Amino acid sequence: NAGVTQTPKFQVLKTGQSMTLQCAQDMNHEYMSWYRQDPGMGLRLIHYSVGAGITDQGEVPNGYNVSRSTTEDFPLRLLSAAPSQTSVYFCASSYNRVRGELFFGEGSRLTVL
Amino acid sequence: QQQVKQSPQSLIVQKGGISIINCAYENTAFDYFPWYQQFPGKGPALLIAIRPDVSEKKEGRFTISFNKSAKQFSLHIMDSQPGDSATYFCAASKSSGSARQLTFGSGTQLTVLP
Repeated sequence: NAGVTQTPKFQVLKTGQSMTLQCAQDMNHEYMSWYRQDPGMGLRLIHYSVGAGITDQGEVPNGYNVSRSTTEDFPLRLLSAAPSQTSVYFCASSYNRVRGELFFGEGSRLTVL
Repeated sequence: QQQVKQSPQSLIVQKGGISIINCAYENTAFDYFPWYQQFPGKGPALLIAIRPDVSEKKEGRFTISFNKSAKQFSLHIMDSQPGDSATYFCAASKSSGSARQLTFGSGTQLTVLP
């Protein structure tokens, strides 16, 4: 099993550009989520999904869109990148939406110039 | 508003020493308190977790102490090793609607000197 796979690992964007961070898991987890990690801020929840076709906002959703068309995939879209979105992004999944540990991918480092 | 406050921001310990990281929370509805360990270039991984019905949980050299009345919990790493050098995050969560959402502390960068 590959676990949680994120692509790309590194990306540089210019302000105003759009892009999609990909996340895939092969553990048949029903719960998937996106976090951003910034120095001194810990990890903050952007969006999450409790199953295919169901998504909801986390703590810092502005500027990001998500969709969940399959159990395996949970892409994160930046509609119009801003320098404030420079961060390391982590996708995480869990087998159960109520309890159970989160399994994280290795992260995607995004720089917006 | 930071709901989970973590200290210290960084910690340097000699090999064989005890590392202690503290966290405090505000929301009394939190009912699950995990600690995650993150090595450079990797995603966080669950280290140990506790629920508020117990005051302590031990797994090998790692122990969580939990004080419900003070709304504080801490991670103790006994006999710290250089391989323990990593960033540690405390977290807290409550069942929220249809999903459990984790609120993380700001992280502690631990360095264990050989």
